Amino acid sequence: ETGVTQSPTHLIKTRGQQVTLRCSSQSGHNTVSWYQQALGQGPQFIFQYYREEENGRGNFPPRFSGLQFPNYSSELNVNALELDDSALYLCASSWGRGWQDTEAFFGQGTRLTVV
Amino acid sequence: GENVEQHPSTLSVQEGDSAVIKCTYSDSASNYFPWYKQELGKGPQLIIDIRSNVGEKKDQRIAVTLNKTAKHFSLHITETQPEDSAVYFCAAPRMEYGNKLVFGSGTILRVKS
Repeated sequence: ETGVTQSPTHLIKTRGQQVTLRCSSQSGHNTVSWYQQALGQGPQFIFQYYREEENGRGNFPPRFSGLQFPNYSSELNVNALELDDSALYLCASSWGRGWQDTEAFFGQGTRLTVV
Repeated sequence: GENVEQHPSTLSVQEGDSAVIKCTYSDSASNYFPWYKQELGKGPQLIIDIRSNVGEKKDQRIAVTLNKTAKHFSLHITETQPEDSAVYFCAAPRMEYGNKLVFGSGTILRVKS
């Protein structure tokens, strides 16, 4: 158990809809990173939040947005869902801005299916 | 994942044998190299990591070696056991993303008993 919890664990949405995924970071951690993992592939970096501000973004369109709250929990929002958005969405919790300072712990992920 | 190449994509070994997975990276500024194990239905679990100021790190049956000149690092698992069967990912920071991790494409390790 990493102490990082994600909800919901599974979700089915229709193309064009919007979805919100949630992540509670490990106690003492102030950084949350979100990743998309398509079937059979490695996780792809979406963005990172450090102390409530975005701290880096990968190659994902603006319809992927996020938020971090004062307790350092985080949300990932995806608008105008497309079939290709079907994937496992992972949240990673860490302390500090860079991976070189501390290790990161992943939650169990949210499996999103877009039909 | 782009800029981190991982090989092989699948690896089958007999219980008790060793397994080696290799990764290469392109960003010479990278200085942190973790390895994750992902079991079915779970998120990736950090199993070992190495920083650029050392060439090798060992933790019981698991070791990681780093060659910064050649820009490659490897995971070594000795005395493999059936519970080692999983997907393994390497990762490295990429400065373009503000030093965030880029993952390899993964290696499916099967340990046959």
